[in-house]
Parts: sequence; C-alpha cells; structure tokens
Amino acid sequence: NAGVTQTPKFQVLKTGQSMTLQCAQDMNHEYMSWYRQDPGMGLRLIHYSVGAGITDQGEVPNGYNVSRSTTEDFPLRLLSAAPSQTSVYFCASSHSGTGVEQPQHFGDGTRLSIL
Amino acid sequence: RKEVEQDPGPFNVPEGATVAFNCTYSNSASQSFFWYRQDCRKEPKLLMSVYSSGNEDGRFTAQLNRASQYISLLIRDSKLSDSATYLCVVNEAGGGADGLTFGKGTHLIIQP
Repeated sequence: NAGVTQTPKFQVLKTGQSMTLQCAQDMNHEYMSWYRQDPGMGLRLIHYSVGAGITDQGEVPNGYNVSRSTTEDFPLRLLSAAPSQTSVYFCASSHSGTGVEQPQHFGDGTRLSIL
Repeated sequence: RKEVEQDPGPFNVPEGATVAFNCTYSNSASQSFFWYRQDCRKEPKLLMSVYSSGNEDGRFTAQLNRASQYISLLIRDSKLSDSATYLCVVNEAGGGADGLTFGKGTHLIIQP
C-alpha cells in the first residue's frame, strides 16, 4: 500500500525555471491538497481539490497552478520559480464527507531550492 | 483569520517523565481536532484524533475543552523515541482541506 507518493524528493531550480511536482495516491481519497512548510511558519495550504476536475485556491496560491484530471493524481506546477518558493512541499489526501475524522495522509515531501 | 496557537518549545524532558502541552484555537465552530507528529525532515503523521470525551492511546492522552477552546496532549513514561514536533490541527465543521488550520508545532526533546 503506497499511500501518497511524491516525486521528486529533492530539486534545485534556477530563478525563472518551471517545473511540476508530482503527487499520486492509491487510497481513492476524494480530497487532495498541497502545502508548503517553512521554518517558523507551519504548514500553509497552496491549492486543494475536492474531486477530479475541481480545484481551488488555498492560503498561498500565487505562483502555483494545479489540475486534477484523475482521482489519483494532483500535480503542482511552479510557473516561474522564485527564491521565495524555496520550501518543503507536502501533498496530502483524505476522504471527504462531514465525519468527525478526516485525517490527512501526507506524502514524504519534496525539498525544493530556488537559486 | 483562524488561529491555532502552540508553544513552540523546545520542551526538554527527562526520559520516563510525563509531559503535557496545549493548543488553543480561535474558531468556536471547529469540530474536528487532531494531533500529528512530525520527525525532523519527515512528513507529518497522524498521532491521534481528539474526541469530545477525551481519548487515550497507550501512553498518550488527548483532551478537548470546548469552553476554553483548547486541546491538550499528555505523554506518560516518555521515551527517547517520543522526541519530535507535535502539530495541533483543527478542522471546521464539514470542512475539507480548506477548513484545516495547522499549528506551528511544539518541539519535544526527551533526554536520556
């Protein structure tokens, strides 16, 4: 059971380059999200999706795009990398619904450095 | 703006001791509460959900105080392997990912 798989684990980019961070889950979760984690800032939501074909902005969406063509995949695109986007990126998934427990399952992260 | 506040620590605790830390939240409509554990350079992992009546899982006990809007985590007989950052997570009623608010974490160091 792979859970949430993120690739790559590490990446170094130059300012202005674009790239896509991949995220896939095999738990048939409806919800998928991207977070960034910076020292002293905690986890901040970039974009999220409640199902295939539906995406929405989180707290810090600028400079990032997402798409959700399938239930399993939720790639995050950096359009023109900037040093401020140096961070650790986590993809997460969870079941939908209004149940009390909707714990997030996280991938093991992508460490991204923008030079 | 939704706020979830935690004491960042670090809490330096001798092995075998009991340690407790709290997390306060600002949104009274919050319905779901969780404690996550995050090891250095690793992803957050669910430690336990927090139920209204309080709940226990081995050496870990979580409590919810709705009146004062805080949740707590108690660790008994602490082990060296308990050293980690503990994240408090709060979810609004019916909220999906956009309803989640993460605390910045409490850093716990268990000393031999």
